[in-house]
Amino acid sequence: NAGVMQNPRHLVRRRGQEARLRCSPMKGHSHVYWYRQLPEEGLKFMVYLQKENIIDESGMPKERFSAEFPKEGPSILRIQQVVRGDSAAYFCASSPLIRVLGFEAFFGQGTRLTVV
Amino acid sequence: DQQVKQNSPSLSVQEGRISILNCDYTNSMFDYFLWYKKYPAEGPTFLISISSIKDKNEDGRFTVFLNKSAKHLSLHIVPSQPGDSAVYFCAARDIYNFNKFYFGSGTKLNVKP
Repeated sequence: NAGVMQNPRHLVRRRGQEARLRCSPMKGHSHVYWYRQLPEEGLKFMVYLQKENIIDESGMPKERFSAEFPKEGPSILRIQQVVRGDSAAYFCASSPLIRVLGFEAFFGQGTRLTVV
Repeated sequence: DQQVKQNSPSLSVQEGRISILNCDYTNSMFDYFLWYKKYPAEGPTFLISISSIKDKNEDGRFTVFLNKSAKHLSLHIVPSQPGDSAVYFCAARDIYNFNKFYFGSGTKLNVKP
């Protein structure tokens, strides 16, 4: 029963390149969340997706960032034309159907993006 | 806008003693709170949660207390063990936007043998 799988674990990109971060949710989970952790800060919500739908992208920068969760395959967080300020740890979490009183999302190990 | 605050970046405790991690929030619409533990180079792991209809939830050595009037919650670990050394994040969700969690900046707990 594999957990949330993220790859790559480490990604180095030069300024201006594209970064693609992948997340495979836990088996049976249909909800995916992306969070970003900047150095010395907590996790900041970026986007929430269900299969083929973006439900809430209020935490995602309007430019250069996009996310998808296709019917088949992992969720992808794409950052175009990366800049140094994009350097951070990006965590993906997944959950099953939302329970009314609460749920806990299960996190992957994260992708550490370094922009040089 | 930091709606969830953990004002102590670090805490050091002797093994066997109690660890108390604190968290304050500003949004009165928050109705569900969680604590996550994070080891270096790993993702956060869910630890314990509490709904706003309760003021205490206990799970083994871990107890979370919620004081709604003070907008404050705390995590008690007793007795503390060296394996508890990690960064602890407090998180909260509001009733209108339950898909989004707001995280504090974390408290690094060091339990000394």
